[in-house]
Amino acid sequence: QKEVEQDPGPLSVPEGAIVSLNCTYSNSAFQYFMWYRQYSRKGPELLMYTYSSGNKEDGRFTAQVDKSSKYISLFIRDSQPSDSATYLCAAKGNTGFQKLVFGTGTRLLVSP
Amino acid sequence: DGGITQSPKYLFRKEGQNVTLSCEQNLNHDAMYWYRQDPGQGLRLIYYSQIVNDFQKGDIAEGYSVSREKKESFPLTVTSAQKNPTAFYLCASSIQSDSNEQFFGPGTRLTVL
Repeated sequence: QKEVEQDPGPLSVPEGAIVSLNCTYSNSAFQYFMWYRQYSRKGPELLMYTYSSGNKEDGRFTAQVDKSSKYISLFIRDSQPSDSATYLCAAKGNTGFQKLVFGTGTRLLVSP
Repeated sequence: DGGITQSPKYLFRKEGQNVTLSCEQNLNHDAMYWYRQDPGQGLRLIYYSQIVNDFQKGDIAEGYSVSREKKESFPLTVTSAQKNPTAFYLCASSIQSDSNEQFFGPGTRLTVL
């Protein structure tokens, strides 16, 4: 079992839709959770990260962590064609150097 | 502009050849990382360096080597011992090794002919 699981998609939505991207994880030691956006043939770009459980909002993006169910979500409001990309979730522990453990990524397609 | 640069963008290698991928950062970050990305798999850590003149193996270090002689540079050599080197290689950096924010370069696509 992979430590971080993510549905590869693709997830296709019309412009303006609310998008929900999700990951599950198995390691209870994970404390920090990140979302990266990766356009085709480019490096990943950090969107946001959260610590432990709770929500964090940044513009149209909201990250949510539910540690009780080991579930990570990224919501995108008013989705735009420019949001079409692969979204990677990642997690890490809290003490000293802890490697980032990545999901495989979900490909999102937002059609005009 | 501050950031991470990787070169070349595309690289072709014949079997049996060693090749070196360049990674440079001008963010004054202490820590640097090399990842490999394959279709259907998450990013996998090859090597990381927490500080200049020091580096550690990641999860898939076999067939790779690195050096960290300067703070801003972390080159990766893909040796002939790497059995399946065709992949997208990503370099990243962070202020310190326990930082939660890693910043990635644009990547190098390596293809073995």
